[in-house]
Amino acid sequence: LAKTTQPISMDSYEGQEVNITCSHNNIATNDYITWYQQFPSQGPRFIIQGYKTKVTNEVASLFIPADRKSSTLSLPRVSLSDTAVYYCLVGGMFSGGYNKLIFGAGTRLAVHP
Amino acid sequence: DTAVSQTPKYLVTQMGNDKSIKCEQNLGHDTMYWYKQDSKKFLKIMFSYNNKELIINETVPNRFSPKSPDKAHLNLHINSLELGDSAVYFCASSLGLQGDYGYTFGSGTRLTVV
Repeated sequence: LAKTTQPISMDSYEGQEVNITCSHNNIATNDYITWYQQFPSQGPRFIIQGYKTKVTNEVASLFIPADRKSSTLSLPRVSLSDTAVYYCLVGGMFSGGYNKLIFGAGTRLAVHP
Repeated sequence: DTAVSQTPKYLVTQMGNDKSIKCEQNLGHDTMYWYKQDSKKFLKIMFSYNNKELIINETVPNRFSPKSPDKAHLNLHINSLELGDSAVYFCASSLGLQGDYGYTFGSGTRLTVV
């Protein structure tokens, strides 16, 4: 299972774009990349998932370079309610077997007024 | 409608007691999980069931016994509770074995053993 490394914490201000980069140097061919968001006293919430290039949804964008050894979660125009812990995970797809997502320490994002 | 619901939300109990946490999902998913989040906020997988069959059993004391009466329910029973069992326990579900479309988590059960 590929290990992920991401900054422990980040600070931003309302209205700014926030980019959180995750390193996964040992990502396997059949691994996909998923980001989760966790608010205090709540379970993690799926944000976005991708395999390569760029993925965008109503919440965020995910940029994955060609070598897939890193990925960047981009949150446009953050608000105070985006203050949370963000987890980057890699997991296998199309492997024909079961998968278990492994959570790292995550990045604590604090958005200030 | 709550997609993954856990009960109780809070559980305070004494050492040595036996307790259960229940989890139900109404998403039609066929795979369910139990995760433990300790005081350092690390989320660790404990168990996974697919269509009532145990498929992941991490290194967890055998005092923890999951039970899946059907694919919409995955309960966790803990015997002889210890102080170190204090944590937040999250139930989750996914479509398929690989969670390709992401996991849906419940809101957690905060267990405090005194």
